[in-house]
Amino acid sequence: SQQGEEDPQALSIQEGENATMNCSYKTSINNLQWYRQNSGRGLVHLILIRSNEREKHSGRLRVTLDTSKKSSSLLITASRAADTASYFCATHNQGGKLIFGQGTELSVKP
Amino acid sequence: DVKVTQSSRYLVKRTGEKVFLECVQDMDHENMFWYRQDPGLGLRLIYFSYDVKMKEKGDIPEGYSVSREKKERFSLILESASTNQTSMYLCAIGGSRRSDTQYFGPGTRLTVL
Repeated sequence: SQQGEEDPQALSIQEGENATMNCSYKTSINNLQWYRQNSGRGLVHLILIRSNEREKHSGRLRVTLDTSKKSSSLLITASRAADTASYFCATHNQGGKLIFGQGTELSVKP
Repeated sequence: DVKVTQSSRYLVKRTGEKVFLECVQDMDHENMFWYRQDPGLGLRLIYFSYDVKMKEKGDIPEGYSVSREKKERFSLILESASTNQTSMYLCAIGGSRRSDTQYFGPGTRLTVL
């Protein structure tokens, strides 16, 4: 079963708007990561938030983590057409393997 | 910058052929991973390796084998390719056993006819 599951599955916004994607997971974690994948390419690591952190920023990215609700959100502010991609959250399972959700497909229209 | 390369971006093979997908890294990472990615199923781990000559099964190892003879190279082998192995194959490397960030190659889109 998926450790991380993203919501929504697809999101379409206009350039300049903010995009928010959510991730829920099932078991306790040490950290949670977000990755981005451009169409037909490999995944690129965006940001890692540790279980003792509640919020983290990196440029236009803001990640929050609520361990009591077992959920995380990724906010992209002032989106650009180049942000169009799929976004995945990932956590480790008990065996130490990284488990990815099925992703949110973000489309930013110019 | 971390560099992970995969031998082919696109590959077309016939049913029953033996297929080799190669992944090479330049970062001296111990851990290397092979995933396949399919619409609606996300990324699924096929095999991984924590060191040279070491391999462990992931979630979907059936129909695949791997080889890690050198630290920088991790090969995925389809002994007898089947149409249900048509997929995007992604190689990744990571820093330590429970880490954390993984770095991905560009992917190989394999079509088995």
